[in-house]
Amino acid sequence: KAGVTQTPRYLIKTRGQQVTLSCSPISGHRSVSWYQQTPGQGLQFLFEYFSETQRNKGNFPGRFSGRQFSNSRSEMNVSTLELGDSALYLCASSLEGLAGNTIYFGEGSWLTVV
Amino acid sequence: DAKTTQPNSMESNEEEPVHLPCNHSTISGTDYIHWYRQLPSQGPEYVIHGLTSNVNNRMASLAIAEDRKSSTLILHRATLRDAAVYYCILIDRGSTLGRLYFGRGTQLTVWP
Repeated sequence: KAGVTQTPRYLIKTRGQQVTLSCSPISGHRSVSWYQQTPGQGLQFLFEYFSETQRNKGNFPGRFSGRQFSNSRSEMNVSTLELGDSALYLCASSLEGLAGNTIYFGEGSWLTVV
Repeated sequence: DAKTTQPNSMESNEEEPVHLPCNHSTISGTDYIHWYRQLPSQGPEYVIHGLTSNVNNRMASLAIAEDRKSSTLILHRATLRDAAVYYCILIDRGSTLGRLYFGRGTQLTVWP
């Protein structure tokens, strides 16, 4: 079956702009989570959505937000972009949640802020 | 928050067993121990997870200390395809406060 699909794969934005990243989970998966990966901070958890509700949240400022639609597809938005937001943004899906479940990751969206 | 500590790097020869350690001394009773690995330019890939008992699957084994303050991922016969960064992650099944810490992981090098 199809894996987790993220779009776009690569994008360049200017400081101060906003960006929206999209994620299509594996069919039947209700949990979608987002992560940021940078060389300096490593892999960090952003948030998790389950059945259209944010269920879990990492330690990121309010500029980072997300939502999940009724078909489990999810979007992540970053407003007022800063240079430090340049990173690989990973989306992952799982059947019921994070703990005790297999989490399947997409290949990520590479965001460069200039 | 519960955190994990892993060696920065380890090396192994092909077809030899590899034991990747992880310390999580502040683990709580509701934290699952998960292992993922990441190859360059790819998203992380699930390896194994457990709660209290040792676990085996076709990829690896997970040995969990009796006090749960440490665990070891065991690759029984390393192959070149196992060269990756391995992350030991604690995921709290009961919290909504983002108790999901990746750490820096262990870079495993496998020599032919």
